[in-house]
Amino acid sequence: RKEVEQDPGPFNVPEGATVAFNCTYSNSASQSFFWYRQDCRKEPKLLMSVYSSGNEDGRFTAQLNRASQYISLLIRDSKLSDSATYLCVVNNDYKLSFGAGTTVTVRA
Amino acid sequence: NAGVMQNPRHLVRRRGQEARLRCSPMKGHSHVYWYRQLPEEGLKFMVYLQKENIIDESGMPKERFSAEFPKEGPSILRIQQVVRGDSAAYFCASSLDSPGTYNEQFFGPGTRLTVL
Repeated sequence: RKEVEQDPGPFNVPEGATVAFNCTYSNSASQSFFWYRQDCRKEPKLLMSVYSSGNEDGRFTAQLNRASQYISLLIRDSKLSDSATYLCVVNNDYKLSFGAGTTVTVRA
Repeated sequence: NAGVMQNPRHLVRRRGQEARLRCSPMKGHSHVYWYRQLPEEGLKFMVYLQKENIIDESGMPKERFSAEFPKEGPSILRIQQVVRGDSAAYFCASSLDSPGTYNEQFFGPGTRLTVL
Protein backbone atom coordinates (compact mmCIF):
# COMPACT_ATOMS: atom_id res chain seq x y z
CA ARG A 1 0.00 0.00 0.00
CA LYS A 2 1.34 3.46 -0.90
CA GLU A 3 2.05 5.83 1.98
CA VAL A 4 -0.04 8.59 0.42
CA GLU A 5 -2.78 7.95 -2.13
CA GLN A 6 -4.52 10.60 -4.18
CA ASP A 7 -7.18 10.64 -6.86
CA PRO A 8 -5.09 11.56 -9.92
CA GLY A 9 -7.97 13.39 -11.61
CA PRO A 10 -7.86 15.22 -13.86
CA PHE A 11 -10.43 17.66 -12.59
CA ASN A 12 -11.48 19.94 -15.42
CA VAL A 13 -13.55 22.87 -14.11
CA PRO A 14 -14.72 26.25 -15.40
CA GLU A 15 -13.48 29.50 -13.93
CA GLY A 16 -15.36 30.41 -10.79
CA ALA A 17 -16.23 26.81 -9.90
CA THR A 18 -15.46 25.04 -6.66
CA VAL A 19 -13.31 21.94 -6.82
CA ALA A 20 -12.46 19.57 -3.99
CA PHE A 21 -10.30 16.49 -3.74
CA ASN A 22 -8.63 14.47 -1.04
CA CYS A 23 -5.96 11.99 -0.14
CA THR A 24 -5.46 9.22 2.38
CA TYR A 25 -2.30 8.27 4.24
CA SER A 26 -1.28 4.96 5.74
CA ASN A 27 0.92 5.88 8.72
CA SER A 28 -1.25 6.76 11.69
CA ALA A 29 1.81 8.18 13.49
CA SER A 30 2.36 10.86 10.83
CA GLN A 31 3.00 14.19 12.45
CA SER A 32 2.17 16.96 10.02
CA PHE A 33 0.46 17.46 6.72
CA PHE A 34 0.73 19.79 3.78
CA TRP A 35 -0.57 20.58 0.34
CA TYR A 36 2.09 21.47 -2.22
CA ARG A 37 1.58 22.69 -5.74
CA GLN A 38 3.65 21.52 -8.71
CA ASP A 39 3.48 23.19 -12.12
CA CYS A 40 4.59 21.20 -15.18
CA ARG A 41 6.80 18.96 -12.98
CA LYS A 42 8.83 21.94 -11.78
CA GLU A 43 9.79 22.20 -8.12
CA PRO A 44 7.00 21.65 -5.59
CA LYS A 45 5.95 24.78 -3.73
CA LEU A 46 4.20 24.82 -0.39
CA LEU A 47 0.56 25.83 -0.75
CA MET A 48 -0.50 25.42 2.87
CA SER A 49 -0.05 23.39 5.99
CA VAL A 50 -3.02 21.37 7.22
CA TYR A 51 -4.05 21.52 10.86
CA SER A 52 -6.38 19.26 12.80
CA SER A 53 -8.88 22.04 13.27
CA GLY A 54 -8.97 22.75 9.56
CA ASN A 55 -7.65 25.94 8.09
CA GLU A 56 -8.30 28.42 5.34
CA ASP A 57 -6.00 30.56 3.23
CA GLY A 58 -7.93 32.83 0.92
CA ARG A 59 -9.83 30.65 -1.53
CA PHE A 60 -8.21 27.46 -0.26
CA THR A 61 -9.54 25.36 2.61
CA ALA A 62 -7.79 22.29 3.99
CA GLN A 63 -9.20 19.69 6.35
CA LEU A 64 -7.57 16.87 8.26
CA ASN A 65 -9.33 13.85 9.72
CA ARG A 66 -6.81 11.92 11.80
CA ALA A 67 -9.26 9.16 12.70
CA SER A 68 -9.89 8.35 9.05
CA GLN A 69 -6.35 9.34 7.95
CA TYR A 70 -7.84 11.61 5.35
CA ILE A 71 -6.84 15.09 4.10
CA SER A 72 -8.85 17.31 1.78
CA LEU A 73 -8.36 20.49 -0.19
CA LEU A 74 -11.13 22.72 -1.49
CA ILE A 75 -10.59 25.56 -3.95
CA ARG A 76 -13.33 28.17 -4.23
CA ASP A 77 -13.85 30.59 -7.11
CA SER A 78 -11.26 28.82 -9.29
CA LYS A 79 -8.89 30.95 -11.35
CA LEU A 80 -7.04 29.99 -14.52
CA SER A 81 -3.84 30.29 -12.49
CA ASP A 82 -5.01 27.49 -10.19
CA SER A 83 -4.33 24.98 -12.98
CA ALA A 84 -1.61 22.74 -11.57
CA THR A 85 -0.92 19.40 -9.93
CA TYR A 86 -1.67 19.41 -6.21
CA LEU A 87 0.49 17.17 -4.06
CA CYS A 88 -0.67 15.77 -0.75
CA VAL A 89 2.34 15.56 1.57
CA VAL A 90 2.74 13.82 4.91
CA ASN A 91 5.67 14.47 7.23
CA ASN A 92 7.23 11.75 9.40
CA ASP A 93 10.10 13.43 11.24
CA TYR A 94 11.98 14.97 8.30
CA LYS A 95 10.85 12.58 5.59
CA LEU A 96 8.19 14.07 3.38
CA SER A 97 6.02 11.44 1.70
CA PHE A 98 4.33 12.71 -1.44
CA GLY A 99 1.23 11.53 -3.21
CA ALA A 100 1.44 11.24 -6.99
CA GLY A 101 -0.69 14.36 -7.32
CA THR A 102 -4.14 15.49 -8.42
CA THR A 103 -4.26 17.43 -11.68
CA VAL A 104 -6.62 20.38 -11.84
CA THR A 105 -7.31 22.27 -15.05
CA VAL A 106 -9.38 25.45 -14.88
CA ARG A 107 -10.85 26.51 -18.22
CA ALA A 108 -12.04 29.94 -19.30
CA ASN B 1 17.82 35.86 -0.81
CA ALA B 2 18.47 33.29 -3.51
CA GLY B 3 16.52 30.09 -3.27
CA VAL B 4 17.83 26.56 -3.46
CA MET B 5 20.09 26.22 -6.48
CA GLN B 6 20.61 23.03 -8.42
CA ASN B 7 22.81 22.34 -11.39
CA PRO B 8 22.84 21.19 -13.99
CA ARG B 9 19.14 21.59 -14.76
CA HIS B 10 19.34 18.92 -17.43
CA LEU B 11 21.89 16.13 -17.65
CA VAL B 12 22.21 13.47 -20.32
CA ARG B 13 24.38 10.44 -19.72
CA ARG B 14 24.98 7.16 -21.52
CA ARG B 15 24.58 3.89 -19.68
CA GLY B 16 27.63 3.18 -17.52
CA GLN B 17 28.68 6.81 -17.09
CA GLU B 18 28.65 8.77 -13.84
CA ALA B 19 26.19 11.52 -12.99
CA ARG B 20 26.96 14.28 -10.47
CA LEU B 21 24.14 16.48 -9.30
CA ARG B 22 24.84 19.59 -7.23
CA CYS B 23 22.68 21.44 -4.75
CA SER B 24 23.36 24.70 -2.95
CA PRO B 25 20.89 25.25 -0.09
CA MET B 26 19.32 28.56 0.76
CA LYS B 27 21.60 30.93 2.62
CA GLY B 28 21.76 29.98 6.27
CA HIS B 29 20.23 26.53 5.77
CA SER B 30 22.32 23.63 6.98
CA HIS B 31 19.87 20.78 6.36
CA VAL B 32 19.65 19.25 2.90
CA TYR B 33 17.32 16.56 1.54
CA TRP B 34 17.31 14.79 -1.81
CA TYR B 35 14.16 13.42 -3.46
CA ARG B 36 13.64 11.55 -6.72
CA GLN B 37 10.56 11.78 -8.93
CA LEU B 38 10.09 9.04 -11.48
CA PRO B 39 7.69 9.66 -14.39
CA GLU B 40 4.04 9.57 -13.28
CA GLU B 41 5.03 9.08 -9.63
CA GLY B 42 5.29 11.19 -6.51
CA LEU B 43 8.57 12.41 -5.06
CA LYS B 44 10.40 9.81 -2.97
CA PHE B 45 12.77 10.65 -0.12
CA MET B 46 16.34 9.55 -0.73
CA VAL B 47 18.68 11.06 1.85
CA TYR B 48 18.97 13.71 4.58
CA LEU B 49 22.29 15.41 5.25
CA GLN B 50 23.71 18.06 7.50
CA LYS B 51 27.13 19.62 7.01
CA GLU B 52 29.65 16.76 6.79
CA ASN B 53 27.13 14.22 8.07
CA ILE B 54 24.69 11.80 6.49
CA ILE B 55 21.76 11.64 8.90
CA ASP B 56 19.46 9.24 7.05
CA GLU B 57 20.10 7.52 3.74
CA SER B 58 17.33 4.95 4.06
CA GLY B 59 15.79 5.99 0.73
CA MET B 60 18.97 5.62 -1.28
CA PRO B 61 19.51 2.54 -3.46
CA LYS B 62 22.17 0.43 -1.82
CA GLU B 63 24.49 0.42 -4.80
CA ARG B 64 25.80 3.08 -7.17
CA PHE B 65 24.26 6.03 -5.28
CA SER B 66 26.07 8.23 -2.79
CA ALA B 67 25.61 11.70 -1.32
CA GLU B 68 27.74 14.18 0.54
CA PHE B 69 27.45 17.66 1.99
CA PRO B 70 30.97 18.94 2.67
CA LYS B 71 31.90 21.72 5.05
CA GLU B 72 32.46 24.01 2.08
CA GLY B 73 30.57 23.86 -1.18
CA PRO B 74 27.36 22.31 -2.41
CA SER B 75 25.79 18.98 -1.61
CA ILE B 76 26.53 16.36 -4.26
CA LEU B 77 24.42 13.39 -5.28
CA ARG B 78 26.52 10.95 -7.27
CA ILE B 79 25.20 8.10 -9.36
CA GLN B 80 27.81 5.71 -10.69
CA GLN B 81 27.34 3.46 -13.73
CA VAL B 82 23.95 4.92 -14.57
CA VAL B 83 21.19 2.75 -16.02
CA ARG B 84 18.05 3.73 -17.91
CA GLY B 85 15.95 3.30 -14.76
CA ASP B 86 17.86 6.18 -13.15
CA SER B 87 16.19 8.63 -15.56
CA ALA B 88 14.15 10.90 -13.34
CA ALA B 89 13.90 14.38 -11.84
CA TYR B 90 16.09 14.78 -8.75
CA PHE B 91 15.00 17.52 -6.37
CA CYS B 92 17.01 18.96 -3.55
CA ALA B 93 15.39 20.74 -0.60
CA SER B 94 16.79 22.62 2.36
CA SER B 95 15.51 23.76 5.72
CA LEU B 96 16.70 26.28 8.25
CA ASP B 97 16.36 24.40 11.48
CA SER B 98 16.36 20.86 12.68
CA PRO B 99 13.46 19.04 11.08
CA GLY B 100 10.37 19.84 13.06
CA THR B 101 6.72 19.30 12.68
CA TYR B 102 6.06 22.34 10.53
CA ASN B 103 9.58 23.26 9.51
CA GLU B 104 9.27 24.03 5.82
CA GLN B 105 11.52 22.41 3.27
CA PHE B 106 12.24 24.67 0.30
CA PHE B 107 12.79 22.92 -3.01
CA GLY B 108 15.23 23.65 -5.80
CA PRO B 109 14.26 23.54 -9.50
CA GLY B 110 15.49 19.98 -9.91
CA THR B 111 17.91 18.20 -12.21
CA ARG B 112 16.36 16.15 -14.96
CA LEU B 113 18.58 13.17 -15.67
CA THR B 114 18.16 11.27 -18.92
CA VAL B 115 20.09 8.07 -19.44
CA LEU B 116 20.44 6.99 -23.05
